[in-house]
Amino acid sequence: EDQVTQSPEALRLQEGESSSLNCSYTVSGLRGLFWYRQDPGKGPEFLFTLYSAGEEKEKERLKATLTKKESFLHITAPKPEDSATYLCAVQAPGSARQLTFGSGTQLTVLP
Amino acid sequence: SQTIHQWPATLVQPVGSPLSLECTVEGTSNPNLYWYRQAAGRGLQLLFYSVGIGQISSEVPQNLSASRPQDRQFILSSKKLLLSDSGFYLCAWSPGLLFDSNQPQHFGDGTRLSIL
Repeated sequence: EDQVTQSPEALRLQEGESSSLNCSYTVSGLRGLFWYRQDPGKGPEFLFTLYSAGEEKEKERLKATLTKKESFLHITAPKPEDSATYLCAVQAPGSARQLTFGSGTQLTVLP
Repeated sequence: SQTIHQWPATLVQPVGSPLSLECTVEGTSNPNLYWYRQAAGRGLQLLFYSVGIGQISSEVPQNLSASRPQDRQFILSSKKLLLSDSGFYLCAWSPGLLFDSNQPQHFGDGTRLSIL
C-alpha cells in the first residue's frame, strides 16, 4: 500500500526565515510526486510535479526536490502570503487514476 | 483556459436527508473527474473517479454514490446522510487523453458539508 508522510505537521517561521518541508513516501514504482498548496476553505492549487530522483523544480520562493524516498519543499525568504497548508501526493503504476495524499504541513509565516 | 466549478460552497443538512453536490468543468473535453473527501487536518481521500459519461469507479464503499450524466458534469449523491458524512468535499479533473500518464489533477474550491 502506498504511503505518504509529511513533516512537520505545523511550522511557524518569521518572514525571511528559510526552511524545508518533508514528504516521505513508500510506493512501488513512482510515476509522479505532486506538491499542492491549499488555503483555508479552498481546494488545493497545483504547484509542481517531480518524476524522477534528482529532479528539481522552482517557482518564485519555492523549490521542490526529489530523492528515491522523499521530497523536500524548500521555502526561501518566505513572506506572510506563503502561509498555507502544503500537500504532497504520489502516483504509482497501475493506479494512474489515484493520488495518495499526505496529511499536509500547515505553514504560518509571521510578519 | 480550463475552469472547475463546485456548488454549493457550504451546506448544512439533517441526518437522513438526501444529498446532491454538483461539479462542472469548462474549457476541456473528455476530462477525468474525481470526488475526494477531506477530514479536518487530514489528507484527501479519493471517493469516486470517472473516465467518461456513465463510467464510475468507487474507491471506498460507503453511503455515497456518483454519477456523470454529461461529459463535464460530475454529481455526488446520497439517499440518506449519516453524521459521518460531514466533511469537505472536493471535485477535481485531469486531462482525459493522458489518463494513464502522470498529469496533475486540478481542484475546485470544495463544498463544506455539515450534518446535524
